[in-house]
Amino acid sequence: SQTIHQWPATLVQPVGSPLSLECTVEGTSNPNLYWYRQAAGRGLQLLFYSVGIGQISSEVPQNLSASRPQDRQFILSSKKLLLSDSGFYLCAWSRQRNTEAFFGQGTRLTVV
Amino acid sequence: KNQVEQSPQSLIILEGKNCTLQCNYTVSPFSNLRWYKQDTGRGPVSLTIMTFSENTKSNGRYTATLDADTKQSSLHITASQLSDSASYICVVSAEQAGTALIFGKGTTLSVSS
Repeated sequence: SQTIHQWPATLVQPVGSPLSLECTVEGTSNPNLYWYRQAAGRGLQLLFYSVGIGQISSEVPQNLSASRPQDRQFILSSKKLLLSDSGFYLCAWSRQRNTEAFFGQGTRLTVV
Repeated sequence: KNQVEQSPQSLIILEGKNCTLQCNYTVSPFSNLRWYKQDTGRGPVSLTIMTFSENTKSNGRYTATLDADTKQSSLHITASQLSDSASYICVVSAEQAGTALIFGKGTTLSVSS
């Protein structure tokens, strides 16, 4: 069976510090991978998606970047965090573009 | 513009009661519609997925309906339980380039005893 792991579960970081959130998928190959952010009281906002190693598409301009160094690894990064980067970050995968997305457990990021 | 609107924003019901959540969308061309359940602080989990030709689909006490003509969907929860307390998110998929998943903002359901 397929599983998705995302860590850490919670993170408190000072403004201006770097960020690295990691997501890995097991039990499948060549998945589509996604990073979403969910602000309080708002819907899920797609940040990045990847259809293959080294292939990253950004949906919105922001202070964040993503990388896919391996087939089943997706990393969300920032060089300098802003207060507005606080939120709930979710990693997800799907077999194809319009098929069901399976979500990780999320990371609660608080920038102070 | 592709949008998914959900109502109500929040809902409080007594344990054992039924409830219905609504989802209206303006996504075109339509591919499929999913309902997800998201417990607080956790990732969303899929409840149902429906394509254009499907009118209703059930998953235990959850029944989703789809009217592709009016572009409306509903999620009916029967005999609610405390564990049903969560956010329910409607997600519509469009046939277009990119990820093509449009998320609603969700309905927060609270079931009290």
